[in-house]
Amino acid sequence: QLQLQESGPGLVEPSETLSLTCTVSGGSVSSKSYYWGWIRQSPGKGLEWIGTMCYGETNYYNPSLKTRVTIFADTSKNQFSLKMTSVTAADTATYYCARADSGDSGGFFNYWGQGTLVTVS
Amino acid sequence: DIHLTQSPSTLSASVGDRVTITCRASQTINGWLAWYQQIPGKAPKLLIYQTSIVESGVPPRFSGSGSGTDFTLTISSLRPNDVAVYYCQQYNSYSLLSFGGGTKVEIK
Repeated sequence: QLQLQESGPGLVEPSETLSLTCTVSGGSVSSKSYYWGWIRQSPGKGLEWIGTMCYGETNYYNPSLKTRVTIFADTSKNQFSLKMTSVTAADTATYYCARADSGDSGGFFNYWGQGTLVTVS
Repeated sequence: DIHLTQSPSTLSASVGDRVTITCRASQTINGWLAWYQQIPGKAPKLLIYQTSIVESGVPPRFSGSGSGTDFTLTISSLRPNDVAVYYCQQYNSYSLLSFGGGTKVEIK
């Protein structure tokens, strides 16, 4: 059974870079059958899509975050990561990694990590 | 960008009531709509995809319908453990995913 686990610092200073990793078990980040994504949720707010990647294919990012975000995979560790530069307090949120099926009918997230809270302060 | 508007933002109903949540898209999304349930403190859980396909393991009291720009999630008989926030998500294009603002369901 697929499991996703986020990891990374819980506290990041303003203007620094936020780095999170999602470790995947029970599946392969190099599979072309899936998109691997990051979604965040500010305290008390709704869900915001950050971006998705499919190994060897084009990455997609939320236009509002595109200039600050990179998503990439480390196939040797079966992980994918998020880097967000120049963070501010507005980036304080719980960050989720998730998996979506690729293909013509994919794009919804059927597996999610438990989430990790990142505070920018 | 495709904007999703959910209504109501909060809903209070009694156990056993039929509950309907609406999600309206700013443009047609060709039925590529999913619904999620988020219990406080937990990650979202997929309930329905492609407008009306119920994810495996989800109770049959949850159903989805709609077309074009207007979609609904229905809980046929509200249970206490359905208290959660429900989100819609469109995936008409992989390059631009988006979520609705959420609907909080409470027990009256």
